[in-house]
Amino acid sequence: DAKTTQPNSMESNEEEPVHLPCNHSTISGTDYIHWYRQLPSQGPEYVIHGLTSNVNNRMASLAIAEDRKSSTLILHRATLRDAAVYYCILRTLIQGAQKLVFGQGTRLTINP
Amino acid sequence: GAGVSQSPRYKVAKRGQDVALRCDPISGHVSLFWYQQALGQGPEFLTYFQNEAQLDKSGLPSDRFFAERPEGSVSTLKIQRTQQEDSAVYLCASSPVPPGLAWGGELFFGEGSRLTVL
Repeated sequence: DAKTTQPNSMESNEEEPVHLPCNHSTISGTDYIHWYRQLPSQGPEYVIHGLTSNVNNRMASLAIAEDRKSSTLILHRATLRDAAVYYCILRTLIQGAQKLVFGQGTRLTINP
Repeated sequence: GAGVSQSPRYKVAKRGQDVALRCDPISGHVSLFWYQQALGQGPEFLTYFQNEAQLDKSGLPSDRFFAERPEGSVSTLKIQRTQQEDSAVYLCASSPVPPGLAWGGELFFGEGSRLTVL
């Protein structure tokens, strides 16, 4: 499975934007970039996904580099509820297998 | 409820005991996944079902681990002769997406079952 590299931890202030980086230099042409986050004592939840173009939804934006070897999850205005572990995941469908392969993720701390 | 439901939320087992963990996916969801999450680590894939068919069990750590989904809805993860290294949170996720969708669809996770083996 293609691997991603993320910083172990990041810190930001409430109401400020947060940029969470992810490197995936071995990404293949069919790999989708997924982001999930896990709040304390909860299961992971879907944040956003993309293939080549930048993506926006109500939760966040995903900026994908032109060579696709890196991406950045952008939280436009962080709140205390955004404190979580954020996982950047590459996902390829192979013979019907759709599993997500999680790494260590980035633990995001939001200061009030 | 509307989400993925797992039971029990907490289970304490003595070493050597058998345990069964249940997952009720969101109604109608085709795909079901089991993950194991050790303390401080990211979730590790265990196994995947498409309806009642177990299509991928490459992540099951040993033959003590067994999963089933006989009617394509509720799933049970069974661990025989539990050992201390089995202590973890076991997460279940489901997805409404049938196979073939390129991006794979969104996974909806339950809150997990925390297993402690003494």
